[in-house]
Amino acid sequence: DGGITQSPKYLFRKEGQNVTLSCEQNLNHDAMYWYRQDPGQGLRLIYYSQIVNDFQKGDIAEGYSVSREKKESFPLTVTSAQKNPTAFYLCAISQGVNEQFFGPGTRLTVL
Amino acid sequence: KQEVTQIPAALSVPEGENLVLNCSFTDSAIYNLQWFRQDPGKGLTSLLLIQSSQREQTSGRLNASLDKSSGRSTLYIAASQPGDSATYLCAVRGNQGGKLIFGQGTELSVKP
Repeated sequence: DGGITQSPKYLFRKEGQNVTLSCEQNLNHDAMYWYRQDPGQGLRLIYYSQIVNDFQKGDIAEGYSVSREKKESFPLTVTSAQKNPTAFYLCAISQGVNEQFFGPGTRLTVL
Repeated sequence: KQEVTQIPAALSVPEGENLVLNCSFTDSAIYNLQWFRQDPGKGLTSLLLIQSSQREQTSGRLNASLDKSSGRSTLYIAASQPGDSATYLCAVRGNQGGKLIFGQGTELSVKP
């Protein structure tokens, strides 16, 4: 928080639907990250981006896509190829390898 | 492959008690270690960041220590309060400036 916003707070998806989660920051940090949190499994890295127009896959990128067209924005799309998308999604930022800060999260539920 | 473990998974203490949360990691070649707090349904709040060259960091009632050679970090909370109830997570970043690797967290409950 304190400059990292995620929207919406709650999101419901029907089977076969793509949905996009928003992450915006006004702290001018270079790096942005997407994590997924499931009960009992901790945080797992989906994608990260260290500079504009560049991003790398994390540990569980299958079924997800991202873009980094602007420094302040790093949207995550959960595609229909993601078979178990119900989870809490967290966006984070950092300046290089320094302290990482998190947004408030988006809870996605598949109906 | 770096693995981070936090034991115990849950801890319940009476208000006013001093307590220690533990974090261990398997690869001592780390760049830094970060402690977070997470309240139910919320994002993570950064508490303390310790660089690999540091032994400890303090913020208010919180003190985090780092022993790289033994692969251990502790988070000391003094005079615990019910408002300290939350899940505490530690995460390490590798020497190559890589991604953060998280432990599964310790769920702390401070009883009034």
